Amino acid sequence: GNSVTQMEGPVTLSEEAFLTINCTYTATGYPSLFWYVQYPGEGLQLLLKATKADDKGSNKGFEATYRKETTSFHLEKGSVQVSDSAVYFCALRGSNDYKLSFGAGTTVTVRA
Amino acid sequence: DGGITQSPKYLFRKEGQNVTLSCEQNLNHDAMYWYRQDPGQGLRLIYYSQIVNDFQKGDIAEGYSVSREKKESFPLTVTSAQKNPTAFYLCASSVTSGRTDTQYFGPGTRLTVL
Repeated sequence: GNSVTQMEGPVTLSEEAFLTINCTYTATGYPSLFWYVQYPGEGLQLLLKATKADDKGSNKGFEATYRKETTSFHLEKGSVQVSDSAVYFCALRGSNDYKLSFGAGTTVTVRA
Repeated sequence: DGGITQSPKYLFRKEGQNVTLSCEQNLNHDAMYWYRQDPGQGLRLIYYSQIVNDFQKGDIAEGYSVSREKKESFPLTVTSAQKNPTAFYLCASSVTSGRTDTQYFGPGTRLTVL
């Protein structure tokens, strides 16, 4: 079946540092890939997505590129802020699947 | 503003009681979903519905039931048969159930069994 593996957290950074969260996946066919962000006590918000190989999703300074050859969708941001502190989830939706398959989430804390 | 609302935000239940979580959307989306989130884990699908009057079990449907009588509403009932119901429950919707469609999430309901 489909699955997503994310780097384990927690990750603690200083403001303006570079952030990378690794995400790899296993899926048949051509899945769509997503990054969601969850702030404390809230639901999930879509951060970005990519629906085919080599697509780059971007939003709020975050970027991720759909790499089919390495089955990866790593999230990056060049300069983080305290407000980026949250839990980040990588997810995929398979070609013949109705659900999102989620990674376990990575907790990011940015210190001033 | 269009969006998904879930109520209540916090819910407490005694063992042996059924409880119903509300989910309403005004996005005119056809598809709706219920996920469960446990600490330190990703989300797992409980039930989903592609259209009104139709729904299917997800990966962890045992002890749960749903209905989809209206397009905008998809309530989830947690029954006494659910062995470990304490969790954060998230409702989501998407335009259709297509592979590329984004699922949008509500704010969640935190259920605690006393």
